[in-house]
Amino acid sequence: ETGVTQTPRHLVMGMTNKKSLKCEQHLGHNAMYWYKQSAKKPLELMFVYSLEERVENNSVPSRFSPECPNSSHLFLHLHTLQPEDSALYLCASSQWDSKNYGYTFGSGTRLTVV
Amino acid sequence: DQQVKQNSPSLSVQEGRISILNCDYTNSMFDYFLWYKKYPAEGPTFLISISSIKDKNEDGRFTVFLNKSAKHLSLHIVPSQPGDSAVYFCAHNSGNTPLVFGKGTRLSVIA
Repeated sequence: ETGVTQTPRHLVMGMTNKKSLKCEQHLGHNAMYWYKQSAKKPLELMFVYSLEERVENNSVPSRFSPECPNSSHLFLHLHTLQPEDSALYLCASSQWDSKNYGYTFGSGTRLTVV
Repeated sequence: DQQVKQNSPSLSVQEGRISILNCDYTNSMFDYFLWYKKYPAEGPTFLISISSIKDKNEDGRFTVFLNKSAKHLSLHIVPSQPGDSAVYFCAHNSGNTPLVFGKGTRLSVIA
């Protein structure tokens, strides 16, 4: 399998549930990212991992918890979410020092919080 | 305050005509601007980029123009095809900072 793979593609969860989103990249990249896409908003950066260390956390609520066990895998653990957290969550990877080609994105997880 | 602004949420163009997608930015310190294309139920895919030292980059039907004095970027698609219908995002990076994206413009190419 090539590229960036995200699972699940769709997720419906209640506000008291705990779930995790998974991302896997097969490109040999050394940086991975979580972005959130809400309607009529720019893609919002949530977390950045470079060489498996978190380098940025954009004031994301603690109900979102990232984990990067190795350079190929990235998780986003979710607990006690709110309905306004419903969005498309996109994972991306890149070579940290490669600026001109940007990122490779996964297809995203469409999350609905009920 | 948005660093990258795409002020047109949507654009409709006839097949075969030119599509022009615009992007304004506030931060003059950047290395590259990039355009991404996104189909429904898929992640964004890289389309074309331009270095801060250039004012034009061309790749087939896609050309990106950079006007640094106006802090303005545009993507030209010619001729437009129905398969070009998608949401287009502009983004920029600077140093080792992550990509900053605009809100996107939805392009509809009408056959």
